[in-house]
Amino acid sequence: ELKVEQNPLFLSMQEGKNYTIYCNYSTTSDRLYWYRQDPGKSLESLFVLLSNGAVKQEGRLMASLDTKARLSTLHITAAVHDLSATYFCAVDANQAGTALIFGKGTTLSVSS
Amino acid sequence: DADVTQTPRNRITKTGKRIMLECSQTKGHDRMYWYRQDPGLGLRLIYYSFDVKDINKGEISDGYSVSRQAQAKFSLSLESAIPNQTALYFCATSDSGKGLHEQYFGPGTRLTVT
Repeated sequence: ELKVEQNPLFLSMQEGKNYTIYCNYSTTSDRLYWYRQDPGKSLESLFVLLSNGAVKQEGRLMASLDTKARLSTLHITAAVHDLSATYFCAVDANQAGTALIFGKGTTLSVSS
Repeated sequence: DADVTQTPRNRITKTGKRIMLECSQTKGHDRMYWYRQDPGLGLRLIYYSFDVKDINKGEISDGYSVSRQAQAKFSLSLESAIPNQTALYFCATSDSGKGLHEQYFGPGTRLTVT
């Protein structure tokens, strides 16, 4: 059974600081997704990582995937308040995009 | 207009009642999904459908049923609602023709069973 663990689950940051969210998973997969959820809102796709060594960047967020280590990271650079949200990673358990197993989410709070 | 819509957005019902949640999409995607979200647990897959004739159970299908009435419509039913089915329910879609298999989520339905 595929398990997905995110840490930390809660993260309080100051504006301007850097930090990394980790997503570990228990079985082989080379397809991983990152989503953002604002309070009371739906999930918004941030990144799709399809192979070992994949790196994607959008603004202050950068995601990477190491399939050998079964690890993905979401790095936040110079955090701003607008990044406050809950971030989920999801791993494709059957390589066909139909069985996403989600982590519990990391709730990020950025304060000045 | 939103690409993936869900109705109702909020619903309060009583234990034992039958309830249906509906999802419609204008994205032209062939695959549709139902998830539930509970605080601190992330999202869990209930059912998914590759097309109108292909429906599959997900991680937590007990107590739920689904119907894919058309490519654009996928409904979730709780035949006899119970309080632990109180949750936020999301519908999602994806396009099997694109290798990313990226899923797009609707706005969610908040269901409370009393």
